[in-house]
Amino acid sequence: AQSVTQPDIHITVSEGASLELRCNYSYGATPYLFWYVQSPGQGLQLLLKYFSGDTLVQGIKGFEAEFKRSQSSFNLRKPSVHWSDAAEYFCAVGAREQAGTALIFGKGTTLSVSS
Amino acid sequence: DSGVTQTPKHLITATGQRVTLRCSPRSGDLSVYWYQQSLDQGLQFLIQYYNGEERAKGNILERFSAQQFPDLHSELNLSSLELGDSALYFCASSAQSDYEQYFGPGTRLTVT
Repeated sequence: AQSVTQPDIHITVSEGASLELRCNYSYGATPYLFWYVQSPGQGLQLLLKYFSGDTLVQGIKGFEAEFKRSQSSFNLRKPSVHWSDAAEYFCAVGAREQAGTALIFGKGTTLSVSS
Repeated sequence: DSGVTQTPKHLITATGQRVTLRCSPRSGDLSVYWYQQSLDQGLQFLIQYYNGEERAKGNILERFSAQQFPDLHSELNLSSLELGDSALYFCASSAQSDYEQYFGPGTRLTVT
């Protein structure tokens, strides 16, 4: 069965420091992978996606992620974190369901930014 | 702003009642998805519609139903509500039946 694991429930990073959020997936075929961000009281915003091709993908707000098939991972990175990056981050895998599609989400990682 | 709209933003109702949540997809998107976000279950896929037809069903209770109308807006109906149905309900849309989904702001349902 498809699944996504985000090992870190909560991470605190100093403003200006680098960030890496971990994501591991389980999926039988070539995965479609996503990172979404959710600010308090808000919906989910798509940060970046991986469908195929270059394993390093760039997203919005200075985020990037690297797909590593051998490790079944899709970790999210940012070189310098800003206070406004504090939010909850969700990794997701796109799954074929019956005649349609669905996103299977991890439990999320809450990012706090300290000054 | 994703372009997906959901109404109402908040809903408070009593156990046993029935509610309807509404979603309008982004202009041009044919596919609508519903997800439930709760503290214990996280984000879970409920159901997908594509151009008016049901395409996929996830962990959706029998007390819940949905439909997509000819103008492509969708409604999620929740009946015989229980305390455990309290959650954030998100609608998402995509251009085709594909994976790049854009989410609305959600409807927060509180069952008392």
